[in-house]
Amino acid sequence: GEDVEQSLFLSVREGDSSVINCTYTDSSSTYLYWYKQEPGAGLQLLTYIFSNMDMKQDQRLTVLLNKKDKHLSLRIADTQTGDSAIYFCAESLSGNTGKLIFGQGTTLQVKP
Amino acid sequence: ETGVTQTPRHLVMGMTNKKSLKCEQHLGHNAMYWYKQSAKKPLELMFVYSLEERVENNSVPSRFSPECPNSSHLFLHLHTLQPEDSALYLCASSALGESRTFGPGTRLTVL
Repeated sequence: GEDVEQSLFLSVREGDSSVINCTYTDSSSTYLYWYKQEPGAGLQLLTYIFSNMDMKQDQRLTVLLNKKDKHLSLRIADTQTGDSAIYFCAESLSGNTGKLIFGQGTTLQVKP
Repeated sequence: ETGVTQTPRHLVMGMTNKKSLKCEQHLGHNAMYWYKQSAKKPLELMFVYSLEERVENNSVPSRFSPECPNSSHLFLHLHTLQPEDSALYLCASSALGESRTFGPGTRLTVL
């Protein structure tokens, strides 16, 4: 079946690195996404990775994909208080409408 | 502000009321989506419209009725809702096969 799982909570100190993990079950995923949701706001696309890549870096963000283990991670370097939010992992299945399966979201708390 | 807007941002309604949520996008996208976000549950895809035609309906109760009059507008008509329908309702749009742009959501409370 289709399932995406994330740990629910992560707390780090400002300046440290944060690593948010995600596992998924469907091997037909084409793209995997990380979305950020700040309080009272909708989801904002942070970054994404195509399923034939194993790493993507975008400024402070590094995405690692282990397709064999169906494991995706998002590393945020030099975490800031403004990074406090809920982070959602999502997988896009093949097909015309590109159905997205979301995880429950990981709440990242950044302490000063 | 994103390219997808939703109104109202907050809505409180009784179980016998009828109300509508509105979503508008000016990104030139041709697919629009309704999602439901409940506390401690994964985002649930409710409806997908592609080129103004409903292509997906994920076993959503009939008390939720979507409408897509054109590629820029999407509505969710609500009637005789239940308290468990209280949630954040997110609209999103995309070009077909591309990543979604989400709106800010409507926080719905059903009394």
